[in-house]
Amino acid sequence: EVQLVESGGGLVQPGGSLKLSCAASGFTFSGSAMHWVRQASGKGLEWVGRIRSKANSYATAYAASVKGRFTISRDDSKNTAYLQMNSLKTEDTAVYYCTRHVGDASGDGFVDYWGQGTLVTVSS
Amino acid sequence: SYVLTQPPSVSVAPGKTARITCGGNNIGSKSVHWYQQKPGQAPVLVIYYDSDRPSGIPERFSGSNSGNTATLTISRVEAGDEADYYCQVWDSSSDHQVFGGGTKLTVL
Repeated sequence: EVQLVESGGGLVQPGGSLKLSCAASGFTFSGSAMHWVRQASGKGLEWVGRIRSKANSYATAYAASVKGRFTISRDDSKNTAYLQMNSLKTEDTAVYYCTRHVGDASGDGFVDYWGQGTLVTVSS
Repeated sequence: SYVLTQPPSVSVAPGKTARITCGGNNIGSKSVHWYQQKPGQAPVLVIYYDSDRPSGIPERFSGSNSGNTATLTISRVEAGDEADYYCQVWDSSSDHQVFGGGTKLTVL
């Protein structure tokens, strides 16, 4: 059974940093690209970014709203993906989901499994 | 950046057919995926690659994609189908995943 479990959310002040983790199990993590998607309360889904597998050079991509502030990484030995968030803003307040990519090497595709999400609140 | 446009809301009576649209420039040339999200839950994939259904998703859910519009069709709508629905594509020019704004399906 595929499982994605996020952790690390919490309350942080504007300008602060937070690192989210996503522990994966039930599939070959090292072969899968992983995405982070967020959702502010009462709002829609927003893609945050993605990291590809080692076979695809761990290539990353980020939404314009977080580029330069957020960094996605992974540790295949621990079956874990990470989202390092720096220079946090109040508008980054959201539930952050870790998701598994299904598709081709170009990046086309969808996400088939989602974690339960972890809440990040940026407030003074 | 590529933009997907969905109607904010769609209402339908039980047993009828609901159609939720997702508009985008030449979206017919892209693969479209659909997600269902119920309150307090993570999204669930209901249609991928325009019209394929994951295992466990009822045949009542179907999808199509042509021109500038993709459509999620839910036949014989049930109360349990009430949820938010999101379309999603991959924008090759930016290498970004893109979600539509979401459509709230209300079962009357």
